[in-house]
Amino acid sequence: AQTVTQSQPEMSVQEAETVTLSCTYDTSENNYYLFWYKQPPSRQMILVIRQEAYKQQNATENRFSVNFQKAAKSFSLKISDSQLGDTAMYFCAFMRHEGGSEKLVFGKGTKLTVNP
Amino acid sequence: ETGVTQTPRHLVMGMTNKKSLKCEQHLGHNAMYWYKQSAKKPLELMFVYSLEERVENNSVPSRFSPECPNSSHLFLHLHTLQPEDSALYLCASSQVYRQGAGQPQHFGDGTRLSIL
Repeated sequence: AQTVTQSQPEMSVQEAETVTLSCTYDTSENNYYLFWYKQPPSRQMILVIRQEAYKQQNATENRFSVNFQKAAKSFSLKISDSQLGDTAMYFCAFMRHEGGSEKLVFGKGTKLTVNP
Repeated sequence: ETGVTQTPRHLVMGMTNKKSLKCEQHLGHNAMYWYKQSAKKPLELMFVYSLEERVENNSVPSRFSPECPNSSHLFLHLHTLQPEDSALYLCASSQVYRQGAGQPQHFGDGTRLSIL
């Protein structure tokens, strides 16, 4: 079974600085997808970034980028120039295609606080 | 983003009540999902509907009964719930392809359910 581990329950960073959230996963699959989602106090789960496992290039979305290490099964998220609005729970998730559906497995999340 | 709408936002019910949660997606997706989010636990996938057919049920208790009348609407019927069922229930939708494309799931704001 796939598992996703986020080893940092809470983190904090000063506004404008850079922070990295860690995520590791366990799978025997070769083709899969990885995601980072953000959940602010408003509760909605918002997609931050998506990575295809067969692509070696790390995904980037504006201030958000990932360090994807397939052999190590590591998928960390880097947030540059942190902003107060980045304060949220961040969830790492693994997806694979199975029998006509696509299943997401989530980690427990990291609570990020951006301090002014 | 208002692509996935959930109602009600909050629900308080007794253990003997019957209620329903509603989810509607306006994104033209062909798959919908129910997740349970409890404190300090990863999101748990409860049900998956792809092309209006249930493709996965993760051994959820029968006091939870899903219904998917069409690709845009999803319900979760609740009856005789237990206090441990108090949680945030999230609905999501995505576009699924037979060959698998890892399209992200889009989430609603959730229904906060409290069982007295």
